[in-house]
Amino acid sequence: DAGVTQSPTHLIKTRGQHVTLRCSPISGHKSVSWYQQVLGQGPQFIFQYYEKEERGRGNFPDRFSARQFPNYSSELNVNALLLGDSALYLCASSGTAYPYEQYFGPGTRLTVT
Amino acid sequence: KQEVTQIPAALSVPEGENLVLNCSFTDSAIYNLQWFRQDPGKGLTSLLLIQSSQREQTSGRLNASLDKSSGRSTLYIAASQPGDSATYLCAVIISNFGNEKLTFGTGTRLTIIP
Repeated sequence: DAGVTQSPTHLIKTRGQHVTLRCSPISGHKSVSWYQQVLGQGPQFIFQYYEKEERGRGNFPDRFSARQFPNYSSELNVNALLLGDSALYLCASSGTAYPYEQYFGPGTRLTVT
Repeated sequence: KQEVTQIPAALSVPEGENLVLNCSFTDSAIYNLQWFRQDPGKGLTSLLLIQSSQREQTSGRLNASLDKSSGRSTLYIAASQPGDSATYLCAVIISNFGNEKLTFGTGTRLTIIP
């Protein structure tokens, strides 16, 4: 079975631009979460979506938004990019049964210049 | 606010040695704890998940323990190999179905010296 997939793998953007990152969960998983990992730090929670509804949001500005589609795939959008948004963006999916083990994709490396 | 700490930040050991990585958390009201491995520039690979009702989990050369009352978890790696070199992250989850959020430590960068 395919794991969590993310696209693109790498992305270079200029300050002020916007970016869309994509994630496809493991088949059968209905929950998708997004994390930002700055170099040398642990991942920080951005959003969780379940059945197309936002279930959780981390301490990120409104420039960050996300949505989940009927097939449970998800997009993360970031507007007005700042240099500090440069990071590895990770997507995780989990199933509907406890203990809700999280499975991560390979990530999208975003560089803002 | 849940805070997760991992000490040491980096560790180098000769091949073949057994080693222990430490993780501590401030809020004991957790649902479970996961240990992950991350290779440079890559995503996270789940190693072990310990449910809040469990004391330990084992997978091959890896053994993870959980002591909720003291807010601690350890990851024991037996007979270390150069392929074990990576960053190891622990994360706790306070879960309300449909609202899971992992809180991560900053990781321990492990180097196994051949």
